[in-house]
Amino acid sequence: NAGVTQTPKFQVLKTGQSMTLQCAQDMNHEYMSWYRQDPGMGLRLIHYSVGAGITDQGEVPNGYNVSRSTTEDFPLRLLSAAPSQTSVYFCASSSSAPPGADTQYFGPGTRLTVL
Amino acid sequence: AQSVTQPDIHITVSEGASLELRCNYSYGATPYLFWYVQSPGQGLQLLLKYFSGDTLVQGIKGFEAEFKRSQSSFNLRKPSVHWSDAAEYFCAVGAASYKLSFGAGTTVTVRA
Repeated sequence: NAGVTQTPKFQVLKTGQSMTLQCAQDMNHEYMSWYRQDPGMGLRLIHYSVGAGITDQGEVPNGYNVSRSTTEDFPLRLLSAAPSQTSVYFCASSSSAPPGADTQYFGPGTRLTVL
Repeated sequence: AQSVTQPDIHITVSEGASLELRCNYSYGATPYLFWYVQSPGQGLQLLLKYFSGDTLVQGIKGFEAEFKRSQSSFNLRKPSVHWSDAAEYFCAVGAASYKLSFGAGTTVTVRA
């Protein structure tokens, strides 16, 4: 049972490039979320999903897209990277209730630098 | 809107000493409260949570937290700190929704 996995661990992009951050969980959790972590700001929710085929925006969705075609996978796409998207990105899942009302299981994170 | 304040950015404590991390929240109803810990280069791990009932909550690694409604606080405590407790600690407040708001975090340094 690997829990929540994320790839890559590190990534450097140039401004304007696109990329996809991968997230997978093997716990059969319905709820999955993407957060970004910036110094002094804690974690902020980017997008979340309440099940396969259902996604919605969080606090800071601009510049990011998500889709959820399976229960296991929840990729995050950066459409045109900007330096302001330099951050550490965490994927999380929860089993039976939305993130605000249940334990979140976090992946190890992806450290992204946009030059 | 819900929000969390962690007044202490950085705390240094000696190994074996007690630790208390402060957390104040703002929320209109009874909140769901969490403490998460992040070791360097790792993801976050749940220490404990409060949804209802007994206001003193026990968690993993010997941590406990007390919910005080009158003070809108959910402070985290540990009686005797170990070197492995050096990490960043996040308080979070949620509700029966997608929204989980995190504080800015408190970094704990443990000196020998």
